[in-house]
Amino acid sequence: KAGVTQTPRYLIKTRGQQVTLSCSPISGHRSVSWYQQTPGQGLQFLFEYFSETQRNKGNFPGRFSGRQFSNSRSEMNVSTLELGDSALYLCASSLPGPNQPQHFGDGTRLSIL
Amino acid sequence: AQKVTQAQTEISVVEKEDVTLDCVYETRDTTYYLFWYKQPPSGELVFLIRRNSFDEQNEISGRYSWNFQKSTSSFNFTITASQVVDSAVYFCALSVREYGNKLVFGAGTILRVKS
Repeated sequence: KAGVTQTPRYLIKTRGQQVTLSCSPISGHRSVSWYQQTPGQGLQFLFEYFSETQRNKGNFPGRFSGRQFSNSRSEMNVSTLELGDSALYLCASSLPGPNQPQHFGDGTRLSIL
Repeated sequence: AQKVTQAQTEISVVEKEDVTLDCVYETRDTTYYLFWYKQPPSGELVFLIRRNSFDEQNEISGRYSWNFQKSTSSFNFTITASQVVDSAVYFCALSVREYGNKLVFGAGTILRVKS
């Protein structure tokens, strides 16, 4: 069974640009969550999508947005990039429900110059 | 609000030693779920175990064991006879029914196992 696939693995952008990251969940998983990992703040929840609807959102500015498609694939977008957005962005998929273990992809490492 | 504390930033042990990683959580919810994840140098988070708030049974899986104590709000993880391959960052995480799949993570504990 294929795992969670995130593309691209690495990305370099400059301040002010925007970026789109992609996540393909495990087959059959309709819940997709995104997390940001930085050395200073650790792992922080960005948002969760289920059946193309955002169910939960973390404490991030509106520059961070996402969406989910009918095939459960998800994208997240960050606009007007700032230096502080440099991070590892992790996508996780699972069956719905807080008791379900989430399965993570390898992440996209975003560097802002 | 939910909070997870992993007080041990980094632990170094010699191979074959036993090591315990501590996790203390805070939540007002009576129904919650606790998880442990491993993050090797490659970066992906690997799910290790889940525990429900209403199930305080300890669990053993090979060299891994978990001790869940609601009285002290702790969910500690012990590796017996550690191996170099156990070197990784270990995260404890919490989810509650109200917030669906949202995981609140601890800061992580870096485990270094030396040969």
